[in-house]
Parts: sequence; structure tokens; C-alpha cells
Amino acid sequence: NAGVTQTPKFQVLKTGQSMTLQCAQDMNHNSMYWYRQDPGMGLRLIYYSASEGTTDKGEVPNGYNVSRLNKREFSLRLESAAPSQTSVYFCASSSRGGANTGELFFGEGSRLTVL
Amino acid sequence: QKEVEQDPGPLSVPEGAIVSLNCTYSNSAFQYFMWYRQYSRKGPELLMYTYSSGNKEDGRFTAQVDKSSKYISLFIRDSQPSDSATYLCAMSRGGFKTIFGAGTRLFVKA
Repeated sequence: NAGVTQTPKFQVLKTGQSMTLQCAQDMNHNSMYWYRQDPGMGLRLIYYSASEGTTDKGEVPNGYNVSRLNKREFSLRLESAAPSQTSVYFCASSSRGGANTGELFFGEGSRLTVL
Repeated sequence: QKEVEQDPGPLSVPEGAIVSLNCTYSNSAFQYFMWYRQYSRKGPELLMYTYSSGNKEDGRFTAQVDKSSKYISLFIRDSQPSDSATYLCAMSRGGFKTIFGAGTRLFVKA
């Protein structure tokens, strides 16, 4: 049972390059999320998808786009990477009830460095 | 001011000690309170979830919420080296935007 799977696990980009982080969950969850984690800042919500076909901005959406491809998959795109986007990115998913109560299931993270 | 404040540590204790981890928050609208554990280079995993004020126990772990003081705690009894991790508090008003603390690093020495 894989849970939440993220790819790639590591990536190094140059400033201005673009890339897409992929996320898939096999728990039949309705809601999916992208967070970034930086030292001293905790986890900050970038975007979320309450259900298939919907996406909404979180706390730090600037410089990112997302696509909810289907119920299982939620991707995060950096169109023109900046050094400030160097971070560890986590995808998460939750059931309907879990979305309300904050019970999230996380992937193992994608470490992105922008030079 | 951050909505959720958490001492980053590190906190170092001997095996078998009782550990107390704490968070304070400023938004009285928070109703759901969580503790996540995160091992190095892994994703967070949910440990405990509490609704409103009160205590909740699960094995060696006890979560406490004091809404009047805007203060939550996680106690770990008989701590083990395998408990060494970063512990994140998290809170939600209901809805999709869970707010996380920055995490406290805990080291349990054998």
C-alpha cells in the first residue's frame, strides 16, 4: 500500500527553468494538498484541491500552478524557478472528514534546489 | 506574529524520560489540534488528533489542549531512542487550511 507517492525525490534547477512535481495517492481520498517546508517556517500550504476538478490558493501560491489531473493525481508546476523556491515540497491527501479536522497523509517529499 | 509558535529545540533527553512538547497559538477559532511526527528526510505522519479542549491518550502519548490559555501539549512517557524525530503541532478551524508549527527536534539518548 503506497499511500502518497511523489516524484522526483530530488531535483536541481537553474534560475528560470521550469519543472513539474508529480503526486499520486491510492487511498481514494477526495482532497489533495501541496506544502513547502523551510527551516524555522514549518509547513506552509501552497495550493489545495478540495475535490476533483477544483483547486484553491493556500498561504504561499505565488510562482506556482497546480493541476488536479484526476482523483488520484495532483501536480505542482514551477514556471520560472527562483532561488527562493529552494525548499522541500510535500504532497498530502485527506478524506472529506480529514480535510475538516486536519488529518493529512503526507508523501516523503521532493527536495528542490534552485541555483 | 505567527499564528502558531513552537520552540524549535533541540530537546535532548535520556531514554525513559518523560518528554513535554508545547505549542501556543493566537487564533481562538482553532477547533482541531494535531501532533505530527517527522523522521529525518521523511514526510510527517499523524500521531494524535484532538477536538476542542481536554486530554487524549494513546499508549505512551498524551495530548492536552487548553483553549482558555491557547496552549497545547504532547507528553511522551518512557521515551525511546525511536522517538527521536521532529514533532509538529498543527491546528485547524475546520476547512482545508491546516496551520503547522515549525516543529521541535527531539533526541532521546540510549
